[in-house]
Amino acid sequence: KNQVEQSPQSLIILEGKNCTLQCNYTVSPFSNLRWYKQDTGRGPVSLTIMTFSENTKSNGRYTATLDADTKQSSLHITASQLSDSASYICVVSPSGGSYIPTFGRGTSLIVHP
Amino acid sequence: DTEVTQTPKHLVMGMTNKKSLKCEQHMGHRAMYWYKQKAKKPPELMFVYSYEKLSINESVPSRFSPECPNSSLLNLHLHALQPEDSALYLCASSQKAGGPDTQYFGPGTRLTVL
Repeated sequence: KNQVEQSPQSLIILEGKNCTLQCNYTVSPFSNLRWYKQDTGRGPVSLTIMTFSENTKSNGRYTATLDADTKQSSLHITASQLSDSASYICVVSPSGGSYIPTFGRGTSLIVHP
Repeated sequence: DTEVTQTPKHLVMGMTNKKSLKCEQHMGHRAMYWYKQKAKKPPELMFVYSYEKLSINESVPSRFSPECPNSSLLNLHLHALQPEDSALYLCASSQKAGGPDTQYFGPGTRLTVL
């Protein structure tokens, strides 16, 4: 069964600090992995998308890494801001006929001043 | 324009009502999706339309009826819903279904069933 596990479940950091969120998956065969940011009560907003051949992708202060061999991804947030407070969701899609994505349960990040 | 719009933002309905949720995108995407999201849970896929044809129905009850009138519009018709159907309903689109394309999500419709 395809699964996406995210850790930690929640995280509290001080403004200006860095943090790293983890995503482990069992989705196979693998097509792509996406990180989304979701503010409470809003739709998810795409941060990065990576395919099998990509190891790192950046979007401003967000840097995602992918190790397709160990089926792990991380999202690193640099110099956190109060507006980074949100849920961060890892989504993994399979290749082939069944392309239904599997969503992780998300990491809830709170940035305190 | 990378925007997916959804109306209404909020909807309150009784169990005997009939209502519709609307979704629109003008990015030329040929895949559109409906998701349901309960509080503190990830979105759950309900339906996928590919080139205006329903390609995936994730065993959704028939009280939810999707419709794709054209490549830019996606509707979700609601009838005889239950209180447990209260949730955030998200629409998304991508260039095509099944590829490594970003799914762009709308802001969602917050549905409350009384």
